[in-house]
Amino acid sequence: GAVVSQHPSRVICKSGTSVKIECRSLDFQATTMFWYRQFPKQSLMLMATSNEGSKATYEQGVEKDKFLINHASLTLSTLTVTSAHPEDSSFYICSARDSPVNEQFFGPGTRLTVL
Amino acid sequence: AQSVTQPDIHITVSEGASLELRCNYSYGATPYLFWYVQSPGQGLQLLLKYFSGDTLVQGIKGFEAEFKRSQSSFNLRKPSVHWSDAAEYFCAVGALEYGNKLVFGAGTILRVKS
Repeated sequence: GAVVSQHPSRVICKSGTSVKIECRSLDFQATTMFWYRQFPKQSLMLMATSNEGSKATYEQGVEKDKFLINHASLTLSTLTVTSAHPEDSSFYICSARDSPVNEQFFGPGTRLTVL
Repeated sequence: AQSVTQPDIHITVSEGASLELRCNYSYGATPYLFWYVQSPGQGLQLLLKYFSGDTLVQGIKGFEAEFKRSQSSFNLRKPSVHWSDAAEYFCAVGALEYGNKLVFGAGTILRVKS
């Protein structure tokens, strides 16, 4: 089946620094990738939709200047959390859509802890 | 507005017993329906999906789900639960008309008693 990887799996950073998370589709091309965040004991909330070669579409309430998304190729999307603060600590999960199958495949997630 | 309801936050079943996890949705378009499973600290694994056709769908690990349009439900079932099934289960709904964005339910945590 389709495989999506995320890197890093865990990251701890100091408040005020920026963190980049990579999402890669390993064996298929994904014109669309999605970024979710999941707080402890809660469900996944969609942050933004990332389309290859164009600007990301952010969900209501998500700050686009804080969560920078770049989808430079059909197999890679990156999420950069800028000037991270403790409240940004969360589990970030990406997914990639395999268009012919019309199904999203999820990465293993990245645990971000901001001290 | 689109929404997904999983009314049971926690469910505990004995190993070998049958399982049903409930999912109801409210959606303004023809839905695609999914069930995912998540182990602690892990990503999501797709159990099964419904796009069209036969309303009873079979998935991996012995799971099945039935789409009932009249009840706006997509309940997940398994005839005999194994201890390794303990995890959190998420129902999700998407639609082509909404760019295939998924809306997730709150999740149901399954505990299995030995």
